[in-house]
Amino acid sequence: GAGVSQSPRYKVAKRGQDVALRCDPISGHVSLFWYQQALGQGPEFLTYFQNEAQLDKSGLPSDRFFAERPEGSVSTLKIQRTQQEDSAVYLCASSLGGLPISDTQYFGPGTRLTVL
Amino acid sequence: AQSVAQPEDQVNVAEGNPLTVKCTYSVSGNPYLFWYVQYPNRGLQFLLKYITGDNLVKGSYGFEAEFNKSQTSFHLKKPSALVSDSALYFCAVRDRGSTLGRLYFGRGTQLTVWP
Repeated sequence: GAGVSQSPRYKVAKRGQDVALRCDPISGHVSLFWYQQALGQGPEFLTYFQNEAQLDKSGLPSDRFFAERPEGSVSTLKIQRTQQEDSAVYLCASSLGGLPISDTQYFGPGTRLTVL
Repeated sequence: AQSVAQPEDQVNVAEGNPLTVKCTYSVSGNPYLFWYVQYPNRGLQFLLKYITGDNLVKGSYGFEAEFNKSQTSFHLKKPSALVSDSALYFCAVRDRGSTLGRLYFGRGTQLTVWP
């Protein structure tokens, strides 16, 4: 497709369940980012991949959060043992190259996660 | 530390009037600056960015922004607002000196344009 796609668009989980969120970046984009957007807030960085390498995971809030991009294209963000504070919109973005970092990040529509 | 401030949660303007959405930033080095717009239930759409050169940057849909280094500001402007411009606007910054690409976002400003 022409843009970044994410699935599912909406996810409801019971507290304690594991969830997996998928991101399909723009074809050929080297860099992929995950952000978390809580209600009424701006997006907060979670993690960054350059191809299959996870170069920055400093934003992951706990060891319950795990992300992978095994073949350098599609990425999955997994949250184990979900808690209510995990409720947020999870945004994926991709950009063309690893460098320069002036590259524009293009965002997907997000996955809205609600933990009951 | 990097941070972005959008001092106004809401901006209301009448259609046809000029609009300004304010943004100030703090970075340890020199910044790359971005504006994004978010419509309900949609992701962020890129509007414009400042990398280097001319301090006045022109972007999509008639928007422009002016980089002011001394005031550490990057205000978004449009000469004549449209009702369809009503949306949530985010300013973001990236440290030029970093090799990592993370963006730091402000909290967002809700723009409402009245007909």
